Amino acid sequence: DADVTQTPRNRITKTGKRIMLECSQTKGHDRMYWYRQDPGLGLRLIYYSFDVKDINKGEISDGYSVSRQAQAKFSLSLESAIPNQTALYFCATSEGQGEKLFFGSGTQLSVL
Amino acid sequence: EDQVTQSPEALRLQEGESSSLNCSYTVSGLRGLFWYRQDPGKGPEFLFTLYSAGEEKEKERLKATLTKKESFLHITAPKPEDSATYLCAVQASGTYKYIFGTGTRLKVLA
Repeated sequence: DADVTQTPRNRITKTGKRIMLECSQTKGHDRMYWYRQDPGLGLRLIYYSFDVKDINKGEISDGYSVSRQAQAKFSLSLESAIPNQTALYFCATSEGQGEKLFFGSGTQLSVL
Repeated sequence: EDQVTQSPEALRLQEGESSSLNCSYTVSGLRGLFWYRQDPGKGPEFLFTLYSAGEEKEKERLKATLTKKESFLHITAPKPEDSATYLCAVQASGTYKYIFGTGTRLKVLA
C-alpha cells in the first residue's frame, strides 16, 4: 500500500462546483502539504500544515481551503472551481525541516 | 528572491550516452537541495539530498554533486528505464518552503 494516498486520481468538474481532494498518509509525519503542478511552472505550494492545529497558506492559496482532520488526513477544497484551477494536484508529507518530501500519486483535476 | 533554474528543459540520449543535468539556485542560505524523479502520471520520487558544497551522493547510474551555486545530476551509461522528468528543489535556511525547478525531461533511446 502507498504511504501517501490521494483520492480521487482523476476528476472532471464544472465551473462553480465545490470539490474536495483527499489525502491520507501512513508515514506518521506531522507535516503535510498540498501542491499543484502546471506545465512549465513547476510545483507550487497551496497550503501546508505542521500539525493538526497549525495550517498555513502557501504561495497560491486564493480559491482554495484545507482541513486537517487528523494527523494522517489533509484535504483540499475548491469552493467554487474555475477553469484555471485545472492542474495536477499533489499531497506530500515530510518528517521535519530540511527533510525530503514524500508525494502521493496525484489527482488530475479538470474544470470545464 | 529565492529561485531554482533547471537546464536543459529536455534531453534525448542514446542508451549508454552519459550526460549531466544542471540545477542552478539562488537562496539566502541553503538548508538542503533535493533531487526527485517523476514518471508520467505519478508523484515525484525522492533521489538525493545534498546539504553542503562539495557533497556528493550516488545511486546506481546517478550521481549528484553540489557547489555553492548549482547542482549536477550525472547520469552514467543511461538505460531506457531512466527516462523520466528530474526535478530539483531547494529549501532555504529558516523557512518551511521548498522551491522547485521546472524539471528536465529525459528520454533515453534504446
